[in-house]
Amino acid sequence: EDQVTQSPEALRLQEGESSSLNCSYTVSGLRGLFWYRQDPGKGPEFLFTLYSAGEEKEKERLKATLTKKESFLHITAPKPEDSATYLCAVHAWGRGSTLGRLYFGRGTQLTVWP
Amino acid sequence: KAGVTQTPRYLIKTRGQQVTLSCSPISGHRSVSWYQQTPGQGLQFLFEYFSETQRNKGNFPGRFSGRQFSNSRSEMNVSTLELGDSALYLCASSLGLLSYEQYFGPGTRLTVT
Repeated sequence: EDQVTQSPEALRLQEGESSSLNCSYTVSGLRGLFWYRQDPGKGPEFLFTLYSAGEEKEKERLKATLTKKESFLHITAPKPEDSATYLCAVHAWGRGSTLGRLYFGRGTQLTVWP
Repeated sequence: KAGVTQTPRYLIKTRGQQVTLSCSPISGHRSVSWYQQTPGQGLQFLFEYFSETQRNKGNFPGRFSGRQFSNSRSEMNVSTLELGDSALYLCASSLGLLSYEQYFGPGTRLTVT
């Protein structure tokens, strides 16, 4: 069974304390890995797409990296407004189908306190 | 460019009733996917429509159905509502061809009593 696992489930950081979130996947035929940010009661907000191992993308205090089996979302000097749930999703070919779909992890709930 | 819109934003229904949710994708996007999100299960894939055809389906009972119109707008229907159907229903659109970057709407919060 294809799987996307995110760790840790929850993370509390003090403002300015850098850290990383992990997304590991076991899907075959990866076609892309996506990171989203979700605030409570809202739809996920698209952050990054990564396509191949070694690729990196940056946006403000966030940097996403990709290896063959996992992706990391690095948060540098976080601020309270970075508090949210961060979701990882992979696009892979489905079994018995030539078409793919997105498989989501459960997310990491990040809290940044002042 | 306008984002994905979903209507209504909130709904309260009674067990046994049915409900229809609507989603308007980003202009030019031909693929619409639907997800159910609950605290216990996370984001669960319902189905995806592309050019008015369902091309992918998750593991949900037949009470959950959908359709897509020629203008790419999509609706999903849930019949014979159960208490467990209470969730945030999210719609996401993408170009649907080589790109699978999905952009989500704000969701419809469905409460079944």
